[in-house]
This record gives sequence, C-alpha cells and structure tokens, in this order.
Amino acid sequence: GNSVTQMEGPVTLSEEAFLTINCTYTATGYPSLFWYVQYPGEGLQLLLKATKADDKGSNKGFEATYRKETTSFHLEKGSVQVSDSAVYFCALIKAAGNKLTFGGGTRVLVKP
Amino acid sequence: DAGVTQSPTHLIKTRGQQVTLRCSPKSGHDTVSWYQQALGQGPQFIFQYYEEEERQRGNFPDRFSGHQFPNYSSELNVNALLLGDSALYLCASSLAPVARTNVLTFGAGSRLTVL
Repeated sequence: GNSVTQMEGPVTLSEEAFLTINCTYTATGYPSLFWYVQYPGEGLQLLLKATKADDKGSNKGFEATYRKETTSFHLEKGSVQVSDSAVYFCALIKAAGNKLTFGGGTRVLVKP
Repeated sequence: DAGVTQSPTHLIKTRGQQVTLRCSPKSGHDTVSWYQQALGQGPQFIFQYYEEEERQRGNFPDRFSGHQFPNYSSELNVNALLLGDSALYLCASSLAPVARTNVLTFGAGSRLTVL
C-alpha cells in the first residue's frame, strides 16, 4: 500500500538557520505530494504541493521538489523564523477520490 | 469566506459512551472526509462522504459511522468509546471529484478525550 516516511523530530534550530525535513514515499504510479503544517492548537494548513515529477512547490519561503527517481519530497527553507515553529506533515494522494496518506509528522522548534 | 467549521472543539467522554462530532464544509465544497489524529502521530483516514453516501473507508471498525446531510454538512459518530479513541478528529472538505490536484481544506478539529 501507500506510505510516507518522514524524519522524526523534534528539530530544534536557531532563527535564520536552514531547515530541511526529509520525506520519502512508497506508492505505485504518480501520486500528488503535499506538505501540510499544523500550528499549536490548530488544524492542518496546506503549505505546498507538487503533482508531477520534477515539479517544485513553493510557499512562504518553503520549497520542495518532487523527485520520482528517489521517491522523495524534502521540505527546505533557507532562513527560518520563530513563527515557523510547528509540526510539518508530508502526505500523498494516489488517485482521484482517494484519501490522503500522511507521514508521522516532524516537530520543528525555532529559537530566537 | 468561512472555512471548515467543526464542533465541539473539545469534549470528554467515558468508556462505553457514544459521541457525535459535527462538520460544516467550506462554502462551495460538497465532499467531506474525516481523519483521526492520535497524539504525536499523523492523521489517519476514517471515511469520505459525497452525495450523502460513504464513498471510501479506512481501517476503522464499524463503531465509527457517519452521515452527510443535503446541505453537505457531516457528522461522525463513535459508539462504545475506548480509551484508544482519544484523539483529534479532523474534518476536511473538497470539491468532488477529488482529483489528484485538488486540495483538501481542514478544520481545526474536535479533541476527544476518553476517560
């Protein structure tokens, strides 16, 4: 079946540091890939997405590239802020009408 | 533009009781999905409703049931609550058919604690 594996946290960084969160997936065919963010006490918000190989999703300084050859969708940000402290989830959707499959989440803590 | 709204935000139940959670989808959306997020874990798909019918179901027992109303709002019912049902229950709406490129909009969730 489909699965998503992401690096375990917590990841603790200083403000303005570079952030990378690794995400790999297992799925047949060509899933769409997503990063969602969950701030404390809130639901999930879509951060970015990519729907085909070599697509790059970007939003709010975050980027991720759909790598079919390595089945990966790593999230990066060049300079994090305290407000980026949250839990980040990598997810995939396999086909129309199908469900989102999530990774376990990675907690990121950015210190001033 | 109202997003997905869920109620109640928090609730406490005891083992064996039943609970009903409610969800109003984002304006213009007609499909509702429910997810269970246990503490420290990623959300797990429970089921999806479209045109007032359950269209897909994840690996959850029959104690979990749902309903969708003509106005597209939805309810999640859980019977015979177990301690392990304690979780954040997330509702997500979308516009059917849910193509691979479509985006699900999530509500803030209902946090259920079972004592």
